[in-house]
Amino acid sequence: EVQLVESGGGLVQPGGSLRLSCVVSGFTFSGHWMHWVRQAPGKGLVWVSRIKYDGSTTSYADSVEGRFTISRDNAKRTLYLQMNSLRVEDTAVYYCATRDYFDNWGQGTLVIVSS
Amino acid sequence: QSALTQPPSASGSPGQSVTISCTGTSSDVGAYNYVCWFQQHPGKAPKIIIYEVTKRPSGVPDRFSGSRSGNTASLTVSGLQPEDEADYYCSSIAGSNNFVFGTGTKVTVL
Repeated sequence: EVQLVESGGGLVQPGGSLRLSCVVSGFTFSGHWMHWVRQAPGKGLVWVSRIKYDGSTTSYADSVEGRFTISRDNAKRTLYLQMNSLRVEDTAVYYCATRDYFDNWGQGTLVIVSS
Repeated sequence: QSALTQPPSASGSPGQSVTISCTGTSSDVGAYNYVCWFQQHPGKAPKIIIYEVTKRPSGVPDRFSGSRSGNTASLTVSGLQPEDEADYYCSSIAGSNNFVFGTGTKVTVL
């Protein structure tokens, strides 16, 4: 069974930083692209970022480009999202998801950006 | 990176069918076979129900079907059941390194 477990969310002030983690099991993590997707309270899904299976290629939504950094440690089967210069509008549940089909999702971790 | 357009809501009685549209452009929905559909119940993570426009993952009932015409993809839920009441989202690749989700549709089973 594929399991993805996100962590690292919490309350942070505008301008602050957080690092999210996503630990994956039951899946050949090192062989697949991975994504971060977010969902603001009461709103829809928004794609955030994607990373190639070997970490060599990354891409970002315009809204987070230059502020967020996606990375991975295949030995630890872990995906990361470093979030800097956080804004109120970054408040959301952040999900990690597998492959370009988003065929497996974690339970999400809530990030609240507020003063 | 504009969101794909979906109707905000759709409804049907048990046993009826409901179809949800997902309108994009020739740079996303109309260009690639990476169109997927997701079901999301309140407080839960999304679950994939359709991938590559028409394919169903194992375990997804055949009441769910996908199609595409031009720049618009569609999800049809046939034989509506109470547990189908949920939010539904489409997604597509949009160029070589970007992805986009739909605005979401709330399906109500009357």
